Amino acid sequence: NAGVTQTPKFRVLKTGQSMTLLCAQDMNHEYMYWYRQDPGMGLRLIHYSVGEGTTAKGEVPDGYNVSRLKKQNFLLGLESAAPSQTSVYFCASSYTWTGFGTEAFFGQGTRLTVV
Amino acid sequence: TQLLEQSPQFLSIQEGENLTVYCNSSSVFSSLQWYRQEPGEGPVLLVTVVTGGEVKKLKRLTFQFGDARKDSSLHITAAQPGDTGLYLCAVISDTGRRALTFGSGTRLQVQP
Repeated sequence: NAGVTQTPKFRVLKTGQSMTLLCAQDMNHEYMYWYRQDPGMGLRLIHYSVGEGTTAKGEVPDGYNVSRLKKQNFLLGLESAAPSQTSVYFCASSYTWTGFGTEAFFGQGTRLTVV
Repeated sequence: TQLLEQSPQFLSIQEGENLTVYCNSSSVFSSLQWYRQEPGEGPVLLVTVVTGGEVKKLKRLTFQFGDARKDSSLHITAAQPGDTGLYLCAVISDTGRRALTFGSGTRLQVQP
């Protein structure tokens, strides 16, 4: 019962370093999302994908890139990390557009600290 | 200005007490969801409400969607320590993005 799996769970980066966060889902979901969660600000959408090979910008996309080369994977990249990107990152997936009330399934999160 | 305003931000109560948390907006939504997030975990869906005035019950939790579909409330009866967590409401906004927009949440702590 894997569901949505995020790798890694914790990471410390130095300013200017790059990294990729991996999200994998085994539910054959079309839609996948990356959110960041900061204290007092809830979850904010970074990028999302409505299917393999497609991506779209969310509310806070600057400084991040994404790729969805395979249906089950959604990668989030930080090209040059900044302290403002210190956050907890959550990946989620859903069978279809959550506008129809379908459930979004979340991973356990990646805690990223940029020093 | 946030699309969804949740109140209160923090709530600390004793086991057995009742409580209500709110999710308000000036916009109308076709549906609204409530999620609960426990420490170190991702959010988990509790309920989806779709009809104005709708009331849904999940054991000791009662969810209501406002008549005008602009707001919602979550009432917990006889709270237990296991109810501790962050309660988030979420909707599809009118930005055209096919993704959920979340409120900032209510952090609930139930003391034994």
